[in-house]
Amino acid sequence: QVQLRESGPGLVKPSQTLSLTCSVSGGSISSGHYYWSWIRQHPGKGLEWIGYIYDSGRTYYNPSLKSRVTFSVDRSKNQFSLKLTSVTAADTAVYHCARARGFGEFADYWGQGTLVTVSS
Amino acid sequence: EIVMTQSPATLSVSPGERAALSCRASQSVSSNLAWYQQNPGQAPRLLIYGASIRATAIPARFSGSGSGTEFTLTISSLQSEDFAVYYCQQYNNWPWTFGQGTKVEIK
Repeated sequence: QVQLRESGPGLVKPSQTLSLTCSVSGGSISSGHYYWSWIRQHPGKGLEWIGYIYDSGRTYYNPSLKSRVTFSVDRSKNQFSLKLTSVTAADTAVYHCARARGFGEFADYWGQGTLVTVSS
Repeated sequence: EIVMTQSPATLSVSPGERAALSCRASQSVSSNLAWYQQNPGQAPRLLIYGASIRATAIPARFSGSGSGTEFTLTISSLQSEDFAVYYCQQYNNWPWTFGQGTKVEIK
């Protein structure tokens, strides 16, 4: 059974960088069959797909966040990471990591999510 | 980007009854549509992909239909664990986008 778990600071100051890591267990991030995704959910609202990364390092970012977001993969630790720069209160959300099937099209395994609050 | 609109926002149903949830896309997404279920404080769970293909271990009471711009998730006989929020998501055009959700509550 694949499990994903997000980790990182729960509070980030405005204008700073949000950094999260997703640890994957029960399967290899380098299997080559899946795309590793970040999806966020603003409090009480819907879901927003931030983007995804293939184990080769190829990335796909949501155009609305593309200028501020960077994904990376650490195969030795079976982890992938998100960095979001210049955050504002609008970036306050629960951040989920997920495994996506197809060409990163739909997510079949999700992490529980971690709440990141942007506040001074 | 493609806008996904779900209706109704809230659906009140008695246990054992049938529920039909609607999802509409602002342009055709072919059959590139998924449905998820989310309980409070939990991660979403994939129910359906390809508009009508049940994901692994999803009970047969969940079914999806539609193509193009109109889609329906049907729950044939609601069980207690089915009262949750349901989201549709298109993956025809990047960025993938979700509907705003339909909450299925106990009547």
